[in-house]
Formats: sequence, C-alpha cells, structure tokens
Amino acid sequence: DIVMTQSPDSLAVSLGERATINCKSSQTILYSSNNKNYLAWYQHKPGLPPKLLISWASTRESGVPDRFSGSGSGTDFSLTISSLQAEDVAIYYCQQFYTTPWTFGQGTKVEVK
Amino acid sequence: EVQLVDSGGGLVQPGRSLRLSCSGTGFRFADYAMAWVRQAPGKDLEWVGFIRANTYGGTTEYAASVRGRFTISRDDSKGVAYLQMNSLKTEDTAVYFCTASFGYKNSLGYWGQGTLLTVSS
Repeated sequence: DIVMTQSPDSLAVSLGERATINCKSSQTILYSSNNKNYLAWYQHKPGLPPKLLISWASTRESGVPDRFSGSGSGTDFSLTISSLQAEDVAIYYCQQFYTTPWTFGQGTKVEVK
Repeated sequence: EVQLVDSGGGLVQPGRSLRLSCSGTGFRFADYAMAWVRQAPGKDLEWVGFIRANTYGGTTEYAASVRGRFTISRDDSKGVAYLQMNSLKTEDTAVYFCTASFGYKNSLGYWGQGTLLTVSS
C-alpha cells in the first residue's frame, strides 16, 4: 500500500499569514504516460463531510478560493494557504488515487494563532 | 445542485449485517464511480471501496479490512449506490461517507453528509 505522510500534524498561523502543509507518498504517484500526479487535497470541518479542494496535485476545484494552491510532483507535495482566513480552520488531508487501496494522509489540523 | 444523501446507519450487534444507501442527484450518476470512505471516532479517513461506472465494467475494489465482508453495488436507473456490510465488527464503527468520483481514476468530488454506524453488543 502507498503510505501518505503529512507534516506537520498541526499548524497554528496568524490570520493573513501563510500556511503550508506537506504530504509525502511512499512511492511515486506520477503516472508517466500522462504526466499527472494522482493526488487530491481535502478540507474537513467538524460536522461536515470533507470537501475537495485540489485535484491532480495542483488543479483547484471550481469555487475554491485562489488563496489555496497545490504543488509538487512524484512523491512530494504541498498545500499552501497564502493568507489564512478564520473560515480556513479545519483538518486538511491529502489522498492518492494512483492505485488501490486509495490512501489518505493522517491529516493536518490548521488553527489560528 | 449536486446532492449525495447517504442513509441506513444505526446500532448493530457484532456479527450482524446492515446495508447503507446513497442517493445521488444533480449529476450524471452513471458516469461516476461510487466510493465509500469511513472515519472511526478520533481516527483518520479510510477508503472502504468503490464500484466503477458501468462504462468501465462496473467492477469493485475493497480495502483489505473489509474485503469478503462488504459489497458495493449500484442501480444507475435509480441513482443509488449501496454498501452491504456483513459480519460486522466493533472496529467497523465509524461515520460512513458516500462519495462520487468522475471517470476511471479521479478524486472524490462529491460527498454525502455521512451516516453513523455503531457496532456494539
């Protein structure tokens, strides 16, 4: 199974400041035939279902604020919130859909400092 | 508006069975793989399994922890997916989310609100 490891486990950032979450996969999730990274990022708030933010490592979903961006390739990825807003407090998960079993990172809790 | 409504959770004794349902509206249900993801209390998200769109054979894949006990099926005419859970264990206790993934391999674009399964004697 591909193990997804996020860092840090939690992060406290001042409003308006940058937050960066890292995600490392135990093997490449870059499909060489189409040059796509099979990685997604989700935002999970208490009492709500997770929400897809980014697909293919860097493609922002429709309606997701542009302060959210994804980067990386192969085995190392990042989610950046360029200017943290109060409504961004949540747990963020990366997930690979390169091969089954699909696996999630352990989550990173983002809070306001 | 896209909606996934999952239902059927409840309290079940170990060893018993239960079926969850997921009704999808507002999108072309038949074009999507339907997957289930669960979250046990205080734990991370865990992929349970999926059923591909019939365009891709309608085949299923499962996590090792549920393989042989859980079965996912779909009825595209009704826009419903099912998760049949047999031989339930206490460690199956979780909120179960129905999700939809477009095409053959894609992210989980749509999510249901989740339904709680508690397995306890």
